[in-house]
Amino acid sequence: SAVISQKPSRDICQRGTSLTIQCQVDSQVTMMFWYRQQPGQSLTLIATANQGSEATYESGFVIDKFPISRPNLTFSTLTVSNMSPEDSSIYLCSVRTGWDSEAFFGQGTRLTVV
Amino acid sequence: KNQVEQSPQSLIILEGKNCTLQCNYTVSPFSNLRWYKQDTGRGPVSLTIMTFSENTKSNGRYTATLDADTKQSSLHITASQLSDSASYICVVSAISGGSNYKLTFGKGTLLTVNP
Repeated sequence: SAVISQKPSRDICQRGTSLTIQCQVDSQVTMMFWYRQQPGQSLTLIATANQGSEATYESGFVIDKFPISRPNLTFSTLTVSNMSPEDSSIYLCSVRTGWDSEAFFGQGTRLTVV
Repeated sequence: KNQVEQSPQSLIILEGKNCTLQCNYTVSPFSNLRWYKQDTGRGPVSLTIMTFSENTKSNGRYTATLDADTKQSSLHITASQLSDSASYICVVSAISGGSNYKLTFGKGTLLTVNP
């Protein structure tokens, strides 16, 4: 199993600003992901955070809007840039020890953009 | 397109009663199906995992079933407790090129257990 610490747990931000979300795992993991969970919607994969290289983004998500860092196997950050009210959502960090293994999730960051 | 549909969207039951949540999927090629519980303000936590050859699996008061032929799964909760109030998410894993696996999430069923 993996224990994930994600922070902040929530924030209210002004439009046009940026917020960086941190994800810390208690053990080294190969695979780390960032998801968005909008009200009433399923979890949507934003990107796969790759250690030592650029993140792999899903369709509809771009690096300029959601820059991701992964300096080592236990830590990653997701930045939500130039925020608008449409970015209000829950952002979740997730890790897996293998491609088909159980996904573990952080507690999420509830972002409100005003 | 891979999809996971859950029903009902929400459900209210009295403490001590049983309930069953449904999950239909069109994901292929299928690898496994997991049910997750997500408490308010928390991340999802895995309850059960079902592979292609498994029909039933239990985890305490939670029992999951899988019919791979009809591509349906259910999660049965027995003798519900107030702490069962949460969103229950069905997640299907599919092989996605080589050794990669892609997860498809349902929207979840919001269960409320009232005293």
